[in-house]
Amino acid sequence: SQQGEEDPQALSIQEGENATMNCSYKTSINNLQWYRQNSGRGLVHLILIRSNEREKHSGRLRVTLDTSKKSSSLLITASRAADTASYFCATDENRDDKIIFGKGTRLHILP
Amino acid sequence: GAVVSQHPSRVICKSGTSVKIECRSLDFQATTMFWYRQFPKQSLMLMATSNEGSKATYEQGVEKDKFLINHASLTLSTLTVTSAHPEDSSFYICSARSPLAPTPAYNSEQFFGPGTRLTVL
Repeated sequence: SQQGEEDPQALSIQEGENATMNCSYKTSINNLQWYRQNSGRGLVHLILIRSNEREKHSGRLRVTLDTSKKSSSLLITASRAADTASYFCATDENRDDKIIFGKGTRLHILP
Repeated sequence: GAVVSQHPSRVICKSGTSVKIECRSLDFQATTMFWYRQFPKQSLMLMATSNEGSKATYEQGVEKDKFLINHASLTLSTLTVTSAHPEDSSFYICSARSPLAPTPAYNSEQFFGPGTRLTVL
């Protein structure tokens, strides 16, 4: 099953610009997580935001969560070439033990 | 953070053979591990939940007789793709839930292995 829907599916921006990705989900959750995956590689955990949190920061990353709209956004500020990757949101569907991933956003940072 | 390893990282096999993939939690005990499959340019799809000492729980549409899961110890889960066919070629990723999670309902981040790329000829 697939819980989250990322928007946009693909995004190309100039280096130095900010990148915003959105994620929507369907069920109640305990938390939402964002992951990065470089092409053909494993996942890198970026940030976890709990259902009682509205915003969280980590370095150049800013994540928001709106449980009333069942949506989250990931903002990467001052993008770099190394940020080129696929980004996935993941939720504990129905507050279950397992994590379900969204379809992902492919981010490409242009030099 | 906690470290999860997978072995092998890459495997090529002939159609009809079986392939075993290992997932290990290196510095913590994981009572629950998860197996995902990822096709090119797609997201991760959960295949099954592996529980130490009991049978795995498979997601709808995943054939349990084809994808055998064994979680024999608190640090090791294995996925065996039996009678592999070219359509089974994929990136298989395991994960283990953080040991810091106080209860299953209060899920914390999961730690993912680096993945195993399976190519069936």
